[in-house]
Amino acid sequence: EIVLTQSPDFQSVTPKEKVTITCRASQSIGSSLHWYQQKPDQSPKLLIKYASQSISGVPSRFSGSGSGTDFTLTINSLEAEDAAAYYCHQSGSLPYTFGQGTKLEIK
Amino acid sequence: EVQLVESGGGLVQPGGSLRLSCAASGFTFSSYWMSWVRQAPGKGLEWVANIKQDGSEKYYVDSVKGRFTISRDNAKNSLYLQMNSLRAEDTAVYYCARAPRDYWGQGTLVTVSS
Repeated sequence: EIVLTQSPDFQSVTPKEKVTITCRASQSIGSSLHWYQQKPDQSPKLLIKYASQSISGVPSRFSGSGSGTDFTLTINSLEAEDAAAYYCHQSGSLPYTFGQGTKLEIK
Repeated sequence: EVQLVESGGGLVQPGGSLRLSCAASGFTFSSYWMSWVRQAPGKGLEWVANIKQDGSEKYYVDSVKGRFTISRDNAKNSLYLQMNSLRAEDTAVYYCARAPRDYWGQGTLVTVSS
């Protein structure tokens, strides 16, 4: 099983800051890494697919990079509405797995 | 507009069974792999199962193998999860999702408790 480790677990940030969340895979997964945002009492929302591919309707301040074992989600110019939990997810190898999540708090 | 609507959750005793359903609309259901993903209260996300477009391939997380069965009815645009021998640790919100998990339903809560 591929283990995804996110860093940090929690971050408190101010609006307009730049935020970077990392996801490290225990084995290479190529570009089969996706990022989700989940707000309280909502289902997850896809932000980035296949490491760096943007999703229609997702604000351009969200971007992704990486391949192999190291991946990054970047949020430029953070907005108050970005307060949420963020998860990485790999679909490169069964069983599919998710990172433990990163909770983003807006000061 | 893609819509996925789960139903069938509820309270069940340990050892009991439950069948979840997911009604899909807004896309060609028979063209996509489908998934079930769950989230225990206050916890992270866990992939549960996948099923191929024609139902010929199915994959499960180890913790549910032999107890859960994923299936689909393309004529009814519906996805199912038959859950048997339920345990307390199966308590979670269960989401259906279109592969590669780009669209998700709102989830249905399954509580396993005596």
